[in-house]
Amino acid sequence: DGGITQSPKYLFRKEGQNVTLSCEQNLNHDAMYWYRQDPGQGLRLIYYSQIVNDFQKGDIAEGYSVSREKKESFPLTVTSAQKNPTAFYLCASSREAGGYNEQFFGPGTRLTVL
Amino acid sequence: GNSVTQMEGPVTLSEEAFLTINCTYTATGYPSLFWYVQYPGEGLQLLLKATKADDKGSNKGFEATYRKETTSFHLEKGSVQVSDSAVYFCALRAPPGDSSYKLIFGSGTRLLVRP
Repeated sequence: DGGITQSPKYLFRKEGQNVTLSCEQNLNHDAMYWYRQDPGQGLRLIYYSQIVNDFQKGDIAEGYSVSREKKESFPLTVTSAQKNPTAFYLCASSREAGGYNEQFFGPGTRLTVL
Repeated sequence: GNSVTQMEGPVTLSEEAFLTINCTYTATGYPSLFWYVQYPGEGLQLLLKATKADDKGSNKGFEATYRKETTSFHLEKGSVQVSDSAVYFCALRAPPGDSSYKLIFGSGTRLLVRP
């Protein structure tokens, strides 16, 4: 089955630690995205990548980093510089960045800072 | 800039009641419009979409019509079920040619359907 997988489902981090969230897709999509969701709020874009080896900052990129070395993978690192990292993180992909292609979402990773 | 405004929840209905969740948007040109649904603890699933004015998206009994004149994309369902309980997000995507490819989301509306 084609889809997007995210791991782990739950992640706990101590203050001052960096953590990396995994996102993998087997849909052969060119574009991938990371969103953050806080309680009672909509999703906000952290980073997006339109093609391998290229990515752009979204609205709230500070304290986060990404890489796109392979088409199917777009890991997100939450660094110690992110002041309030506790949130639900969603990865998405679309066939290509432009046009009318809808985005498909993974099941999410819930990150809690202890 | 582009933005989406949804009615605040929670919306509580009895089973088989009629559902309307209001969504209005601000955007230049003709954005694409989407409704996503999120069940507890899960990611978002695309429910329906419309890409041009007067288009009607529909899926699983839900419908929404792209109204350019009122900049609205209200979600409706004639008879809700307990299993429809979830959070619903309205979203827009800037039209082709806009360098921002992101989805812009409303804040979400929680629907609770009672048996």
